[in-house]
Amino acid sequence: AQTVTQSQPEMSVQEAETVTLSCTYDTSESDYYLFWYKQPPSRQMILVIRQEAYKQQNATENRFSVNFQKAAKSFSLKISDSQLGDAAMYFCAYRGETSGSRLTFGEGTQLTVNP
Amino acid sequence: DAMVIQNPRYQVTQFGKPVTLSCSQTLNHNVMYWYQQKSSQAPKLLFHYYDKDFNNEADTPDNFQSRRPNTSFCFLDIRSPGLGDAAMYLCATSRVGQARHFFGQGTRLTVV
Repeated sequence: AQTVTQSQPEMSVQEAETVTLSCTYDTSESDYYLFWYKQPPSRQMILVIRQEAYKQQNATENRFSVNFQKAAKSFSLKISDSQLGDAAMYFCAYRGETSGSRLTFGEGTQLTVNP
Repeated sequence: DAMVIQNPRYQVTQFGKPVTLSCSQTLNHNVMYWYQQKSSQAPKLLFHYYDKDFNNEADTPDNFQSRRPNTSFCFLDIRSPGLGDAAMYLCATSRVGQARHFFGQGTRLTVV
């Protein structure tokens, strides 16, 4: 079974600074997707960024970028120029080719942004 | 705006009293999911529908059931809620062939 591990239960960053959230996963599949989802307090979970395993190029969405290391099974999220609105719980998630369309989530990292 | 809507946002139920949570979507997605998220934990898939085909996770308790009367609506029924069922319940949708999930705002269930 696939597992996703986020080793940082909590992280904090100063406004305008950069922070990196870690995620590792375990799988025997060769084709899969990886995601970072953001869950603000009392608000819905929204997609931040996604990465297809077959793509070597790291995904980027504005201030958000990933460092995808397939051999190491590592998928970290970098947030540049952090803003107060970035404060949220961040979940790393995996979807594999044999797991249907279900997502397997990590335990989450609570990000605090300090003004 | 097209979206996934869950009702109610907050639900308080008595121990052992059946409760139903609802989810509707305007995205016309053929896959709908129910995840359970306990405090400070990862969301855990309970079951999902691919169109009308129901797919139950092996470790989902029998106490949890679901109905999907049409493409737009999906319900989560908890037959006899226990204190351990207190959690946030997340509904999500996706289109077959697309990896992305779209989530509702969740229903926070309290059992008293």
